[in-house]
Amino acid sequence: GAGVSQSPSNKVTEKGKDVELRCDPISGHTALYWYRQSLGQGLEFLIYFQGNSAPDKSGLPSDRFSAERTGGSVSTLTIQRTQQEDSAVYLCASSSLPAGQGEQYFGPGTRLTVT
Amino acid sequence: LAKTTQPISMDSYEGQEVNITCSHNNIATNDYITWYQQFPSQGPRFIIQGYKTKVTNEVASLFIPADRKSSTLSLPRVSLSDTAVYYCLVGDLGSSNTGKLIFGQGTTLQVKP
Repeated sequence: GAGVSQSPSNKVTEKGKDVELRCDPISGHTALYWYRQSLGQGLEFLIYFQGNSAPDKSGLPSDRFSAERTGGSVSTLTIQRTQQEDSAVYLCASSSLPAGQGEQYFGPGTRLTVT
Repeated sequence: LAKTTQPISMDSYEGQEVNITCSHNNIATNDYITWYQQFPSQGPRFIIQGYKTKVTNEVASLFIPADRKSSTLSLPRVSLSDTAVYYCLVGDLGSSNTGKLIFGQGTTLQVKP
C-alpha cells in the first residue's frame, strides 16, 4: 500500500523566503510527526499532531516555524523568512497509535537548502 | 526530558551478533523505548519497541533492565545489508499529547565481510 509521501523532495530557496513543506500520511493514521535532520546530525522532534490538534508547539525551533493539519490527513510545515541554519532534511512520520506509541512510518523527507 | 546516549560507531563481521546499548538515565515512567534503522537518503525504519523486560520480533530483540535506564538492541547474525545508522528513541506524548520524543545521536554500524 501507499506509504507516507512528502513534497517537494528537494527545495532550494533564498534566505528570507518562505517555504511550505507537505506531508501525506498513510490513510487512516491519526498520529503525525515532524522531525528535522541536519547534515550529519541526528533526528530532532519538532511537533506531533493527534488528528488536527497539536497542543504542544514547544519543539518548533523558532516562531518562524508553524505547522498545521487539516481533515486529519495532510500536514504542512511552513518556515517563514528562511535562514541558512534551516537547511536540513525535514521528515514526516505517521502512526496508527497515538502519542509516540507503536511504529512510526517515515516518509522520504524533504531536503531544504537555504542559500 | 530523557537524554539518550549511544556509541557513535560499531564494527562487526557477517554472521556475528551485534548489541547496541542506549543510555537514558532520566527516562520517565510512561516513556517507551523504540529503535529505528536508517539507510542513507531514506527515512528511518522501525525495528522494535518496548517498555520493560525483553521484547523479540523477527529481526531483533530489545533488552530493558528493571531500572529502564538503558536498553540494548540485539541483532542476531548480521549481514552486510545491516550496515546502517541505528537510533534509539525515548519518550511518550501522553494522554495530553504534549512533550517530546528524544532520539539518540545514532550508532553507525559497519558490517564487514
